[in-house]
Amino acid sequence: ETGVTQTPRHLVMGMTNKKSLKCEQHLGHNAMYWYKQSAKKPLELMFVYSLEERVENNSVPSRFSPECPNSSHLFLHLHTLQPEDSALYLCASSQGDRHESEQYFGPGTRLTVT
Amino acid sequence: DAKTTQPTSMDCAEGRAANLPCNHSTISGNEYVYWYRQIHSQGPQYIIHGLKNNETNEMASLIITEDRKSSTLILPHATLRDTAVYYCIVRVVSGTYKYIFGTGTRLKVLA
Repeated sequence: ETGVTQTPRHLVMGMTNKKSLKCEQHLGHNAMYWYKQSAKKPLELMFVYSLEERVENNSVPSRFSPECPNSSHLFLHLHTLQPEDSALYLCASSQGDRHESEQYFGPGTRLTVT
Repeated sequence: DAKTTQPTSMDCAEGRAANLPCNHSTISGNEYVYWYRQIHSQGPQYIIHGLKNNETNEMASLIITEDRKSSTLILPHATLRDTAVYYCIVRVVSGTYKYIFGTGTRLKVLA
């Protein structure tokens, strides 16, 4: 596997379900990100982890719970979601925050909340 | 909110140069200009970035005006695979991990 992988690619869940999204990066990076992309809206940064420590949390509802057990893995735990949470969830990684540290994105998980 | 303004959409003939403009009139001296693109239903892909000098790589060229208030991304020979949404992002480097994506320019390359 190369780059940034995300599983599952598609997920349909009810509002009372609990599920998790997984992201893995094979680039040796030390920062990982979760973004949300709703239909016809810009990407919204949700969370950032640097060296496994959360450094950004952009007022995301508590029904989204991130976890970064090590620098290669990032999870987004979901519970009691709402239909408006249906979106493409993108994971990214980078090597630090310097100007040359571009972000590498995974293919995303398409989430539908019914 | 995004600090950049881009046209909503553009068309370009295959094989011709695609010139995508971006306005960032409030850019600060320590902010870089980044370009990413997103092909339908995929994750964004980094293209290029710069501070004040023009930059070129294997994908594109970035031309930044002398006052740094605007820039142009140039794809020298557009192909159908370049059809995507192109995002221009202004970002303070070092000390923040934030990228603020706007709505971008939807480029359609026509055969």
